[in-house]
Amino acid sequence: AQSVAQPEDQVNVAEGNPLTVKCTYSVSGNPYLFWYVQYPNRGLQFLLKYITGDNLVKGSYGFEAEFNKSQTSFHLKKPSALVSDSALYFCAVVGTMDSSYKLIFGSGTRLLVRP
Amino acid sequence: NAGVMQNPRHLVRRRGQEARLRCSPMKGHSHVYWYRQLPEEGLKFMVYLQKENIIDESGMPKERFSAEFPKEGPSILRIQQVVRGDSAAYFCASLHPTGRRTGELFFGEGSRLTVL
Repeated sequence: AQSVAQPEDQVNVAEGNPLTVKCTYSVSGNPYLFWYVQYPNRGLQFLLKYITGDNLVKGSYGFEAEFNKSQTSFHLKKPSALVSDSALYFCAVVGTMDSSYKLIFGSGTRLLVRP
Repeated sequence: NAGVMQNPRHLVRRRGQEARLRCSPMKGHSHVYWYRQLPEEGLKFMVYLQKENIIDESGMPKERFSAEFPKEGPSILRIQQVVRGDSAAYFCASLHPTGRRTGELFFGEGSRLTVL
Protein backbone atom coordinates (compact mmCIF):
# COMPACT_ATOMS: atom_id res chain seq x y z
CA ALA A 1 0.00 0.00 0.00
CA GLN A 2 1.13 3.52 -0.70
CA SER A 3 1.60 5.92 2.17
CA VAL A 4 3.16 9.23 3.04
CA ALA A 5 4.37 10.36 6.42
CA GLN A 6 4.86 13.93 7.51
CA PRO A 7 6.24 13.50 11.00
CA GLU A 8 5.85 17.10 12.13
CA ASP A 9 2.42 18.60 12.72
CA GLN A 10 3.95 22.06 12.85
CA VAL A 11 7.24 23.71 11.98
CA ASN A 12 8.16 27.09 13.41
CA VAL A 13 10.90 29.24 11.91
CA ALA A 14 11.94 32.86 12.05
CA GLU A 15 11.70 34.96 8.92
CA GLY A 16 14.94 34.86 6.97
CA ASN A 17 15.99 31.49 8.35
CA PRO A 18 16.07 28.31 6.28
CA LEU A 19 13.14 25.94 6.58
CA THR A 20 12.68 22.22 6.10
CA VAL A 21 9.43 20.31 6.03
CA LYS A 22 9.93 16.57 6.18
CA CYS A 23 8.28 13.85 4.14
CA THR A 24 8.89 10.13 3.80
CA TYR A 25 7.00 7.74 1.59
CA SER A 26 6.27 4.11 0.88
CA VAL A 27 5.17 2.90 -2.55
CA SER A 28 5.33 -0.07 -4.87
CA GLY A 29 7.55 0.71 -7.80
CA ASN A 30 9.12 4.05 -8.43
CA PRO A 31 7.54 7.09 -6.82
CA TYR A 32 6.29 10.28 -8.33
CA LEU A 33 6.41 12.87 -5.56
CA PHE A 34 4.65 16.17 -5.13
CA TRP A 35 4.39 19.08 -2.73
CA TYR A 36 1.27 21.21 -2.44
CA VAL A 37 0.48 24.22 -0.27
CA GLN A 38 -2.90 25.14 1.19
CA TYR A 39 -3.83 28.56 2.50
CA PRO A 40 -6.81 28.93 4.87
CA ASN A 41 -10.15 28.07 3.28
CA ARG A 42 -8.52 27.56 -0.10
CA GLY A 43 -7.73 24.67 -2.39
CA LEU A 44 -4.33 23.12 -2.84
CA GLN A 45 -1.72 24.79 -4.98
CA PHE A 46 1.02 22.84 -6.70
CA LEU A 47 4.57 23.70 -5.62
CA LEU A 48 6.85 21.15 -7.25
CA LYS A 49 7.24 17.54 -8.30
CA TYR A 50 9.84 14.85 -8.76
CA ILE A 51 9.34 12.42 -11.62
CA THR A 52 12.82 11.44 -12.68
CA GLY A 53 16.25 12.94 -13.19
CA ASP A 54 18.01 15.37 -10.89
CA ASN A 55 17.30 14.63 -7.24
CA LEU A 56 17.05 18.32 -6.40
CA VAL A 57 13.85 19.81 -7.72
CA LYS A 58 13.12 23.53 -7.80
CA GLY A 59 9.59 24.83 -7.65
CA SER A 60 7.41 27.85 -7.10
CA TYR A 61 8.08 30.69 -4.63
CA GLY A 62 11.70 29.69 -4.07
CA PHE A 63 10.93 26.24 -2.69
CA GLU A 64 12.95 23.18 -3.55
CA ALA A 65 12.88 19.54 -2.53
CA GLU A 66 15.43 16.77 -2.51
CA PHE A 67 14.57 13.22 -3.48
CA ASN A 68 16.52 10.63 -1.52
CA LYS A 69 15.80 7.13 -2.69
CA SER A 70 17.78 5.31 -0.02
CA GLN A 71 15.98 7.17 2.76
CA THR A 72 12.65 7.23 0.89
CA SER A 73 12.39 10.93 1.64
CA PHE A 74 11.37 14.06 -0.21
CA HIS A 75 11.92 16.97 2.17
CA LEU A 76 10.77 20.45 1.22
CA LYS A 77 13.24 23.27 1.75
CA LYS A 78 13.63 26.98 1.34
CA PRO A 79 16.84 28.92 2.04
CA SER A 80 15.12 31.98 3.51
CA ALA A 81 11.58 31.84 4.91
CA LEU A 82 9.00 34.59 4.49
CA VAL A 83 6.06 35.32 6.77
CA SER A 84 3.84 34.82 3.74
CA ASP A 85 5.06 31.20 3.51
CA SER A 86 2.96 30.41 6.58
CA ALA A 87 0.47 27.81 5.41
CA LEU A 88 -0.33 24.09 5.42
CA TYR A 89 1.99 21.95 3.34
CA PHE A 90 1.16 18.53 1.95
CA CYS A 91 3.47 15.93 0.51
CA ALA A 92 1.91 13.44 -1.91
CA VAL A 93 3.01 10.34 -3.78
CA VAL A 94 1.88 8.30 -6.73
CA GLY A 95 3.23 4.82 -7.18
CA THR A 96 4.03 3.75 -10.72
CA MET A 97 2.16 0.53 -10.05
CA ASP A 98 -1.06 2.46 -9.47
CA SER A 99 -3.09 2.53 -12.67
CA SER A 100 -5.43 5.18 -11.25
CA TYR A 101 -2.72 7.72 -10.71
CA LYS A 102 -4.31 8.83 -7.48
CA LEU A 103 -2.25 11.05 -5.23
CA ILE A 104 -1.87 9.80 -1.69
CA PHE A 105 -1.38 12.69 0.68
CA GLY A 106 0.38 13.02 3.98
CA SER A 107 -1.41 14.48 6.96
CA GLY A 108 0.07 17.90 6.39
CA THR A 109 2.54 20.13 8.20
CA ARG A 110 1.62 23.59 9.34
CA LEU A 111 4.44 26.04 8.72
CA LEU A 112 4.51 29.14 10.89
CA VAL A 113 7.04 31.81 10.01
CA ARG A 114 7.35 34.47 12.68
CA PRO A 115 8.51 37.99 11.85
CA ASN B 1 -8.55 29.59 -18.84
CA ALA B 2 -10.72 29.19 -15.78
CA GLY B 3 -9.52 26.87 -13.08
CA VAL B 4 -11.42 24.01 -11.50
CA MET B 5 -14.78 25.35 -10.39
CA GLN B 6 -16.61 23.89 -7.44
CA ASN B 7 -20.01 24.84 -6.10
CA PRO B 8 -21.43 25.45 -3.72
CA ARG B 9 -18.47 26.72 -1.71
CA HIS B 10 -20.43 26.26 1.50
CA LEU B 11 -23.37 23.98 2.11
CA VAL B 12 -25.35 23.42 5.29
CA ARG B 13 -27.58 20.39 5.63
CA ARG B 14 -29.56 18.81 8.43
CA ARG B 15 -29.07 15.16 9.26
CA GLY B 16 -30.93 12.96 6.79
CA GLN B 17 -30.89 15.45 3.92
CA GLU B 18 -29.01 15.08 0.67
CA ALA B 19 -25.93 17.01 -0.38
CA ARG B 20 -24.89 17.52 -3.99
CA LEU B 21 -21.49 18.94 -4.78
CA ARG B 22 -20.55 19.97 -8.29
CA CYS B 23 -17.21 20.20 -10.01
CA SER B 24 -16.37 21.60 -13.43
CA PRO B 25 -12.84 20.63 -14.43
CA MET B 26 -10.44 22.83 -16.29
CA LYS B 27 -11.04 23.14 -20.00
CA GLY B 28 -9.73 20.09 -21.81
CA HIS B 29 -9.41 18.02 -18.64
CA SER B 30 -11.33 14.78 -18.78
CA HIS B 31 -10.10 13.23 -15.53
CA VAL B 32 -11.66 14.20 -12.21
CA TYR B 33 -10.70 13.18 -8.69
CA TRP B 34 -12.64 13.80 -5.49
CA TYR B 35 -10.93 14.09 -2.13
CA ARG B 36 -12.30 14.67 1.37
CA GLN B 37 -10.53 16.68 4.03
CA LEU B 38 -11.71 16.33 7.59
CA PRO B 39 -10.86 19.18 9.99
CA GLU B 40 -7.15 19.29 10.79
CA GLU B 41 -6.46 16.26 8.61
CA GLY B 42 -4.98 15.53 5.23
CA LEU B 43 -6.82 14.78 2.03
CA LYS B 44 -8.27 11.32 1.57
CA PHE B 45 -8.88 9.98 -1.92
CA MET B 46 -12.49 9.12 -2.65
CA VAL B 47 -13.05 8.48 -6.34
CA TYR B 48 -11.51 8.92 -9.77
CA LEU B 49 -13.68 9.42 -12.81
CA GLN B 50 -13.32 9.95 -16.49
CA LYS B 51 -16.16 11.08 -18.70
CA GLU B 52 -19.09 8.66 -18.15
CA ASN B 53 -16.89 6.18 -16.27
CA ILE B 54 -15.92 5.52 -12.69
CA ILE B 55 -12.34 4.31 -12.82
CA ASP B 56 -11.46 3.91 -9.16
CA GLU B 57 -13.88 4.26 -6.26
CA SER B 58 -11.77 2.49 -3.70
CA GLY B 59 -11.97 5.46 -1.32
CA MET B 60 -15.72 5.89 -1.40
CA PRO B 61 -17.80 4.83 1.58
CA LYS B 62 -19.90 1.81 0.66
CA GLU B 63 -23.21 3.47 1.43
CA ARG B 64 -24.82 6.86 0.83
CA PHE B 65 -22.02 8.23 -1.39
CA SER B 66 -22.05 8.24 -5.17
CA ALA B 67 -20.28 10.13 -7.93
CA GLU B 68 -20.78 10.70 -11.61
CA PHE B 69 -19.14 12.56 -14.47
CA PRO B 70 -21.60 12.71 -17.36
CA LYS B 71 -20.72 13.33 -20.96
CA GLU B 72 -22.07 16.85 -20.61
CA GLY B 73 -21.96 18.93 -17.48
CA PRO B 74 -20.04 18.86 -14.23
CA SER B 75 -19.00 15.97 -12.08
CA ILE B 76 -21.30 15.49 -9.11
CA LEU B 77 -20.58 14.00 -5.72
CA ARG B 78 -23.80 13.02 -4.02
CA ILE B 79 -24.21 12.24 -0.35
CA GLN B 80 -27.54 10.84 0.72
CA GLN B 81 -28.94 10.93 4.26
CA VAL B 82 -26.06 12.99 5.57
CA VAL B 83 -24.74 12.49 9.09
CA ARG B 84 -22.62 14.79 11.21
CA GLY B 85 -19.52 12.79 10.37
CA ASP B 86 -19.90 13.85 6.75
CA SER B 87 -19.00 17.42 7.70
CA ALA B 88 -15.80 18.12 5.81
CA ALA B 89 -14.27 19.97 2.92
CA TYR B 90 -14.67 18.14 -0.37
CA PHE B 91 -12.11 18.92 -3.03
CA CYS B 92 -12.25 18.19 -6.71
CA ALA B 93 -9.14 18.02 -8.84
CA SER B 94 -8.74 17.64 -12.57
CA LEU B 95 -6.02 16.34 -14.82
CA HIS B 96 -5.38 16.70 -18.52
CA PRO B 97 -5.31 13.31 -20.26
CA THR B 98 -1.76 13.89 -21.46
CA GLY B 99 -0.70 14.52 -17.88
CA ARG B 100 -1.47 11.06 -16.61
CA ARG B 101 1.11 9.91 -14.06
CA THR B 102 3.48 12.83 -14.33
CA GLY B 103 1.21 15.83 -14.46
CA GLU B 104 0.06 17.65 -11.40
CA LEU B 105 -3.55 17.76 -10.31
CA PHE B 106 -5.33 21.13 -10.38
CA PHE B 107 -7.55 21.61 -7.37
CA GLY B 108 -10.73 23.57 -6.91
CA GLU B 109 -11.37 25.77 -3.88
CA GLY B 110 -13.44 23.08 -2.24
CA SER B 111 -16.99 22.68 -1.00
CA ARG B 112 -17.40 22.87 2.74
CA LEU B 113 -20.25 20.77 4.00
CA THR B 114 -21.65 21.32 7.47
CA VAL B 115 -24.21 18.87 8.80
CA LEU B 116 -26.31 20.15 11.69
